[in-house]
Amino acid sequence: DAGVTQSPTHLIKTRGQQVTLRCSPKSGHDTVSWYQQALGQGPQFIFQYYEEEERQRGNFPDRFSGHQFPNYSSELNVNALLLGDSALYLCASSLVGTGDFTEAFFGQGTRLTVV
Amino acid sequence: RKEVEQDPGPFNVPEGATVAFNCTYSNSASQSFFWYRQDCRKEPKLLMSVYSSGNEDGRFTAQLNRASQYISLLIRDSKLSDSATYLCVVNQGGKLIFGQGTELSVKP
Repeated sequence: DAGVTQSPTHLIKTRGQQVTLRCSPKSGHDTVSWYQQALGQGPQFIFQYYEEEERQRGNFPDRFSGHQFPNYSSELNVNALLLGDSALYLCASSLVGTGDFTEAFFGQGTRLTVV
Repeated sequence: RKEVEQDPGPFNVPEGATVAFNCTYSNSASQSFFWYRQDCRKEPKLLMSVYSSGNEDGRFTAQLNRASQYISLLIRDSKLSDSATYLCVVNQGGKLIFGQGTELSVKP
């Protein structure tokens, strides 16, 4: 059973560019959440997708957007990259469905460096 | 004030020591509570859920005090392999709120 997979694992971008990160959830999971983890900090919630819609959003600007596909996979897009966007981006999948929370499984993350 | 606050660490302990991590959270509507472990440059992994009645998993014991909005993790007989960052996590409607993490280093 494949766990949560993210791609790419590492990425270097220039300020002002746009980036797309991808996530495939654990088999049987219907919900994908994205987190940003800066060095030395805990992960910060960006947003969550369920049934192809953004269900919740954290305190991130509109430059951060996402999408969920019918197969539950998800993308995170960041426009107009800033140096401060450099971080580990984590995808977590869970089975929320009815609203009851179950354990969240994390992918290995995408390490984004903005230069 | 951060929503989830943890001891700043790092904790440097010898093998065999007992170490305790503390955490407080600010939102009384938080629904469930967890400790995650994160190894250097890896993804967080669930260590254990935390219940008001307290729960134990081998050398690890977790406790929740809802009245005080306080969560704890006790590690007994520390092993070298316990070296990692321990993240206190609360669930708010499916959104996980993480503390900044406490680094533990177990030395021979």
